[in-house]
Amino acid sequence: DAMVIQNPRYQVTQFGKPVTLSCSQTLNHNVMYWYQQKSSQAPKLLFHYYDKDFNNEADTPDNFQSRRPNTSFCFLDIRSPGLGDAAMYLCATSRAGSLGDTQYFGPGTRLTVL
Amino acid sequence: AQSVTQLGSHVSVSEGALVLLRCNYSSSVPPYLFWYVQYPNQGLQLLLKYTSAATLVKGINGFEAEFKKSETSFHLTKPSAHMSDAAEYFCAVSPTGNQFYFGTGTSLTVIP
Repeated sequence: DAMVIQNPRYQVTQFGKPVTLSCSQTLNHNVMYWYQQKSSQAPKLLFHYYDKDFNNEADTPDNFQSRRPNTSFCFLDIRSPGLGDAAMYLCATSRAGSLGDTQYFGPGTRLTVL
Repeated sequence: AQSVTQLGSHVSVSEGALVLLRCNYSSSVPPYLFWYVQYPNQGLQLLLKYTSAATLVKGINGFEAEFKKSETSFHLTKPSAHMSDAAEYFCAVSPTGNQFYFGTGTSLTVIP
């Protein structure tokens, strides 16, 4: 089955220690998104890639970066994680980012910061 | 500005009873509206979406939602709740293809 895969499912890091979360997709979709979801809150869009074009949300902290080396993979880098960055990180894809396109979500990576 | 408001952060229903989860939207353009379900420690799964075709949209697992422009609403319903419906439900509006604005979610509890 075509799908969105996130690794690892659970990640523990230390305060200030860089961490990278991974997302891959077999849907061959053009657009990939990263969301942050804190406990009992709505997912919040951090940024997205349309092909290789990076689009950052205005309020996404500089501490968060992303890379998309090819169509299938996208990475979320947190340069210096703080306690407030503990959250579920969701990767999603959509075919073309057109109006009405569905976003397909991966299972998420739960990040714990010690 | 585009946004959705989900009334009731927690809803409890008895097994077999009607499920009604409320969503009101604010959009300056004709909206595209979505309902997603999230089970514990999992990603979001699409239940259904409205894209300006039929106002009554049928989704998976027996859920449906009706778009009412006059009420700016897109409430989610299911005639008979099942234990497996217990989850978090999110309404979302998409004013452009690449922007999704989610509501704060409604946690559904099904009482046996």
